[in-house]
Order: sequence, then structure tokens, then C-alpha cells
Amino acid sequence: KAGVTQTPRYLIKTRGQQVTLSCSPISGHRSVSWYQQTPGQGLQFLFEYFSETQRNKGNFPGRFSGRQFSNSRSEMNVSTLELGDSALYLCASSSSYQETQYFGPGTRLLVL
Amino acid sequence: QKEVEQNSGPLSVPEGAIASLNCTYSDRVSQSFFWYRQYSGKSPELIMSIYSNGDKEDGRFTAQLNKASQYVSLLIRDSQPSDSATYLCAGGGYSTLTFGKGTMLLVSP
Repeated sequence: KAGVTQTPRYLIKTRGQQVTLSCSPISGHRSVSWYQQTPGQGLQFLFEYFSETQRNKGNFPGRFSGRQFSNSRSEMNVSTLELGDSALYLCASSSSYQETQYFGPGTRLLVL
Repeated sequence: QKEVEQNSGPLSVPEGAIASLNCTYSDRVSQSFFWYRQYSGKSPELIMSIYSNGDKEDGRFTAQLNKASQYVSLLIRDSQPSDSATYLCAGGGYSTLTFGKGTMLLVSP
């Protein structure tokens, strides 16, 4: 089975721009979670989608949004980028409620 | 609010020794716990999951859970230099995971 894939792997943007990241879960997995990882804050939960519905949301501003498609692929969008948004963005998929999560390789975003 | 606490380390052990990594959590709602390993520049990789009180062994790894004390640990026997990484503890519940900030393990040859 193929693992979780994320595109792009690396991105450089400037302040004020917006960015869209994509995640394809493991085949058959319907839950997709997004995390932001920074050296200072560690792994922080952004949101989780299941069957195209956002089930849970972390404590991030509204500039961070996401969606999930009928094939379980998910995208997250960050608008009006700030320098502090520079981070590794990780997507994880799981097969059912409260199940083990498997991570993709991540997208490293640098905001200049 | 759930919190997961880990000592940031680094924890230094010689090759062949037992490495002991610890984690405490503040929310009694968590029913499942996970240990992930993350190499520098890579994404987290699942090592172990544990749901019940007691020990769970998988090869050189043993996870221990004590729900009354809200304590989770990971023992790595016969530590190898390739085990040098950051180990993340996570508590699960309601389809989300709350992660600790991780403990860096250094295994010297």
C-alpha cells in the first residue's frame, strides 16, 4: 500500500501571499489530520477531516483553512502569510475514529 | 485542555544500553497512546501504540502505560546509533492526537 503523499515538498513564499498544500491519504483511509511543526512549539494540531467534514479544529487563526474531497484527498490553505507561518506542515491519515495516524513526508514552507 | 509533557533531553546513552523515555499527560480522557520516532528533517514514524495499562513489547521496544499515574514510557533495549532521533509521545482521543515536544535521544558508538 502506498503511504501518505504530500505536495509540494518545499515552498518559498513572501509575506501576504497565500498557499495551498495537498495531501493524499493511504488508500481506504477516510480521516486526514493536519499539523504544524516548528522548533519552538513542536507538533500542533490544525484540523481533522472525515468524509469531507471538519470534525475537529485546533487553536489556529481563521487564515488557516482546509477541505476534503470525496476521494479523501485533502488540501489546506493559508492566506495572508506571516513570517511565523514558516514551518513543516504534516498530514496524517487514519482508517477510522481514534485509530493510529500515519504521517506523510511533510511540506516545508518558508515565508520571506 | 490535554497536555503531554516530555523531557526535551538530550538523553545520551552508550550503544547497547537501555534507553528510557518518559511522558506524562494531564487529561484522563485519553484512551490511546502512541510513540513516534522522528529523524532530523523527516516526518514522524510510528513505533508503538498502547491502549491498556501494563507493558507492550515489540522487538527491542517496550511501551508501558499507567493510567492511574497518567504516565507512559518507552524502553529501547540494546540501543543502536541508528536509534538516535527525537521520540514523540502522543495521547489520542476523539480523532485527534496531542503531542509532546519530544525527547532527543543520542546513542554513542
